[in-house]
Amino acid sequence: SQTIHQWPATLVQPVGSPLSLECTVEGTSNPNLYWYRQAAGRGLQLLFYSVGIGQISSEVPQNLSASRPQDRQFILSSKKLLLSDSGFYLCAWNRDSNQPQHFGDGTRLSIL
Amino acid sequence: GESVGLHLPTLSVQEGDNSIINCAYSNSASDYFIWYKQESGKGPQFIIDIRSNMDKRQGQRVTVLLNKTVKHLSLQIAATQPGDSAVYFCAGLYGQNFVFGPGTRLSVLP
Repeated sequence: SQTIHQWPATLVQPVGSPLSLECTVEGTSNPNLYWYRQAAGRGLQLLFYSVGIGQISSEVPQNLSASRPQDRQFILSSKKLLLSDSGFYLCAWNRDSNQPQHFGDGTRLSIL
Repeated sequence: GESVGLHLPTLSVQEGDNSIINCAYSNSASDYFIWYKQESGKGPQFIIDIRSNMDKRQGQRVTVLLNKTVKHLSLQIAATQPGDSAVYFCAGLYGQNFVFGPGTRLSVLP
């Protein structure tokens, strides 16, 4: 069966520091991969998605970037965090864009 | 742009009663909808989905109804249990990506 892992579960970082959040999927090959941010009382906001190694599409301009160095690995990064980057970040995957997305358990990021 | 939203941010039901959570969408271009359940500190979990060629789909204790005329989607949970307490949100597929609603928090009262 397929599983998706995100780490760390929580992270506290100072303003201006770099960021690296990792997501890996097991039990499938060539998945579509997604990064979302979830704000309280609002729907999930799609940040990036990838349909293959090295292929990244960005949905909103921001202080973050994404990379897919391996088939089942998706990384969310920042060179310099802002206070507004605080939030709950979720990674998801699916086999095809018209199939359900399956989510990891998220990373709670707090910027001080 | 497309939007997907729920009618109520919170819903309280008595244990054993049925729950109905509603969702409205703005653009009829979506032909695929999903309901998710999210427990505190966890990622969303897939519950049930429905494609636009159907009006109703049933799972274990859950039913999704789709009314394309009024662009409305609902999730019905039968015999609600304490373990059903969570945030529920709907999502509609537009193009290649899903648009998610903000969620309804379901509280189950003893």
